[in-house]
Amino acid sequence: GDSVTQMEGPVTLSEEAFLTINCTYTATGYPSLFWYVQYPGEGLQLLLKATKADDKGSNKGFEATYRKETTSFHLEKGSVQVSDSAVYFCALLDLYSGAGSYQLTFGKGTKLSVIP
Amino acid sequence: DVKVTQSSRYLVKRTGEKVFLECVQDMDHENMFWYRQDPGLGLRLIYFSYDVKMKEKGDIPEGYSVSREKKERFSLILESASTNQTSMYLCASSSQYRNRYEQYFGPGTRLTVT
Repeated sequence: GDSVTQMEGPVTLSEEAFLTINCTYTATGYPSLFWYVQYPGEGLQLLLKATKADDKGSNKGFEATYRKETTSFHLEKGSVQVSDSAVYFCALLDLYSGAGSYQLTFGKGTKLSVIP
Repeated sequence: DVKVTQSSRYLVKRTGEKVFLECVQDMDHENMFWYRQDPGLGLRLIYFSYDVKMKEKGDIPEGYSVSREKKERFSLILESASTNQTSMYLCASSSQYRNRYEQYFGPGTRLTVT
């Protein structure tokens, strides 16, 4: 079945540091890939997405490139801010897996803390 | 903007009580989902629905049921609450036609069962 593996947290960075959160996936079909962010006390918000190989999703300074050859979708940001402190979830949606259920498959989440 | 609302942000119930969690979306989405979120386990799908009165079990349906009588509303029911159902519950919705199944989440209900 489909699965998503993302790096264990928590990750603690100083303000303006470079961020990478690794995400790899296994899927039977041709998945779309997503990063969701959850700020403290809130639900999940879609951060960015990519629907086919070599697509780059970007939003709020975050980027991730859909790499089919390495089955990866790593999240990066060049200079993090304290306000980026949150939990980040990598997810995939495999419309062609035959499940017919439109389910997202999530990674377990990576908690990021940015200190001034 | 899509809006998904949940009836309560925080809820405290006693063991054995019947608990209703309500979710409403305002974007005419066909699909609605209930997840629970626990530390170290991420999000796990409880139930989902792709149409009114239709429901499908997710990964962890035991101890839960759902109801979808109207397109915009999806209810999660804990028939007899137990302490191991203390968790954060997240509702989500998506369209089969617009934005290709991207899921939009509510703010969550933190349920404590004592």
